[in-house]
Amino acid sequence: KQEVTQIPAALSVPEGENLVLNCSFTDSAIYNLQWFRQDPGKGLTSLLLIQSSQREQTSGRLNASLDKSSGRSTLYIAASQPGDSATYLCAAGGGADGLTFGKGTHLIIQP
Amino acid sequence: SQTIHQWPATLVQPVGSPLSLECTVEGTSNPNLYWYRQAAGRGLQLLFYSVGIGQISSEVPQNLSASRPQDRQFILSSKKLLLSDSGFYLCAWGGLSGRATAGELFFGEGSRLTVL
Repeated sequence: KQEVTQIPAALSVPEGENLVLNCSFTDSAIYNLQWFRQDPGKGLTSLLLIQSSQREQTSGRLNASLDKSSGRSTLYIAASQPGDSATYLCAAGGGADGLTFGKGTHLIIQP
Repeated sequence: SQTIHQWPATLVQPVGSPLSLECTVEGTSNPNLYWYRQAAGRGLQLLFYSVGIGQISSEVPQNLSASRPQDRQFILSSKKLLLSDSGFYLCAWGGLSGRATAGELFFGEGSRLTVL
């Protein structure tokens, strides 16, 4: 059974810093790895999808990498802003049975 | 473009009462549909998924059930709610359609259920 772990559970940094969120998964037989953002009381917004054949994806200030063999993914946020404050969720899987989620990293960017 | 709608957004129900949460998807055909639950302090837990009309797979045994009466409609139900059913319920769709690649999921805004 797939298990997804995210480290750290919470992170508070001053505005402008570059930061890295970590995700690990136990079963490397995945189709995709997907990163989401969740604001308080809201649904999930998809940030980046990395297919199993890819090594990384970029969108604006966000870059996500995938190392299937070691069961790891990282989300890199460049030049952080207060608007980046949210919970970031990593999810692995992508078959018809959906995704397995980590518990998330709660990120606070201090103005 | 594809959109997903969930309702109601908020629900407060007494223990033992029935439940019906509805989810519809627009702008795609034959999507995979999912119900997840997010409880306080816990990650998202997959409850049910469906790959077609009338096809429901259950991931966690519980007093909840799901139905897919139409291609783009997914309903989560209970005959008698328990206190432990409280949580944030999220519907999602995925599958090969339009801008969605294989396995990419897109979520609705969620339904917050409080059982008293």
